[in-house]
Amino acid sequence: AQSVTQPDIHITVSEGASLELRCNYSYGATPYLFWYVQSPGQGLQLLLKYFSGDTLVQGIKGFEAEFKRSQSSFNLRKPSVHWSDAAEYFCAVGADNDMRFGAGTRLTVKP
Amino acid sequence: DAGVIQSPRHEVTEMGQEVTLRCKPISGHDYLFWYRQTMMRGLELLIYFNNNVPIDDSGMPEDRFSAKMPNASFSTLKIQPSEPRDSAVYFCASSFGPWMGGKNIQYFGAGTRLSVL
Repeated sequence: AQSVTQPDIHITVSEGASLELRCNYSYGATPYLFWYVQSPGQGLQLLLKYFSGDTLVQGIKGFEAEFKRSQSSFNLRKPSVHWSDAAEYFCAVGADNDMRFGAGTRLTVKP
Repeated sequence: DAGVIQSPRHEVTEMGQEVTLRCKPISGHDYLFWYRQTMMRGLELLIYFNNNVPIDDSGMPEDRFSAKMPNASFSTLKIQPSEPRDSAVYFCASSFGPWMGGKNIQYFGAGTRLSVL
């Protein structure tokens, strides 16, 4: 079965700085990959997804992610973080009638 | 559409009591999912339905948990009797179309935060 690892439990960045959240997956074939964001007290909102094609995927709110098959990674990036980006971010992999989420990375944004 | 609607948003109950969580999926979606989120285990899929029929309940932790979907616009997740270790945030999600391979997008509700004292 597929699995997802988000190595960073908590990341703090300054407002305006760049951001990269790491995600590694384990699966025998190319899975479907997702990044979700969860703001405090809210449900999960889809930021972006990768199914096939261009390995650099653009999402909402200025986020992008790059699928790297050789590294089994799907890292989320944003060139300039805004205070409103403070939230918890979940990477997910879908395959074989199943969907697995990473443990999440909590993002704190410093003024 | 108002999105996936869950109620209540917060539930506090005492050990041994019955708890019922409710979910209204997005109209037209034919798949509905129940997830549990805890600090220790993260997000876990408990059960999912297709056209109101339970397809996979292998994630349901114990017989104390049960889920139903009497019609296309309503589902419940029941815990009876509840225990303190059931304290978590429970999410409902829905999607449209075949679930095969996880390709279709799931839309999540805001969740129900359950505290069992």
